[in-house]
Amino acid sequence: NAGVMQNPRHLVRRRGQEARLRCSPVKGHSHVYWYRQLPEEGLKFMVYLQKENIIDESGMPKERFSAEFPKEGPSILRIQQVVRGDSAAYFCASSPGTGGSGANVLTFGAGSRLTVL
Amino acid sequence: ELKVEQNPLFLSMQEGKNYTIYCNYSTTSDRLYWYRQDPGKSLESLFVLLSNGAVKQEGRLMASLDTKARLSTLHITAAVHDLSATYFCAVGSGATNKLIFGTGTLLAVQP
Repeated sequence: NAGVMQNPRHLVRRRGQEARLRCSPVKGHSHVYWYRQLPEEGLKFMVYLQKENIIDESGMPKERFSAEFPKEGPSILRIQQVVRGDSAAYFCASSPGTGGSGANVLTFGAGSRLTVL
Repeated sequence: ELKVEQNPLFLSMQEGKNYTIYCNYSTTSDRLYWYRQDPGKSLESLFVLLSNGAVKQEGRLMASLDTKARLSTLHITAAVHDLSATYFCAVGSGATNKLIFGTGTLLAVQP
């Protein structure tokens, strides 16, 4: 079990460019969460997806940010026209689901660190 | 809106000493998680607490949950340098179980 795989680990973009961050969940996990961590801060929830569906995007900025989790392939967090304030670590987490009485522990990836010049 | 507060934000300890990190949250939840993060690394799950009065221990760390007080504690016994890291508590929110994280406690254990 390879765990949650994120790539790229480090990404440098100039202002106005696009950033695409990819996340492959733990095998068998159908729930994906994206979080953003600014320097010296905690993690902020961005979006929660299941296969082909966005379930909760209450933490996503209204503009420039989008996320998807297609039927095949990894989940993608896309940031258009990046600005310096987008510089952060973006963590993806996956879980097997929210049903039942289980703990539904989120397994986190190693993160993608975006730097906007 | 669910808010999660941790204190202290920074904790410098000597090896061998005991200390407690506190995590308060603002609305009812039945799921409380503790994670550890080393610099530049991902988050490692430490404990999951699912019921009032739950207590879990792993090595020198012990976590407890009081759902009535909306308080969880992470107790460190006889700290060692390897425990130096940032510790986050997180509270499960709603049916989607998105986690709301505290601000984190940076623990530095000095020899």
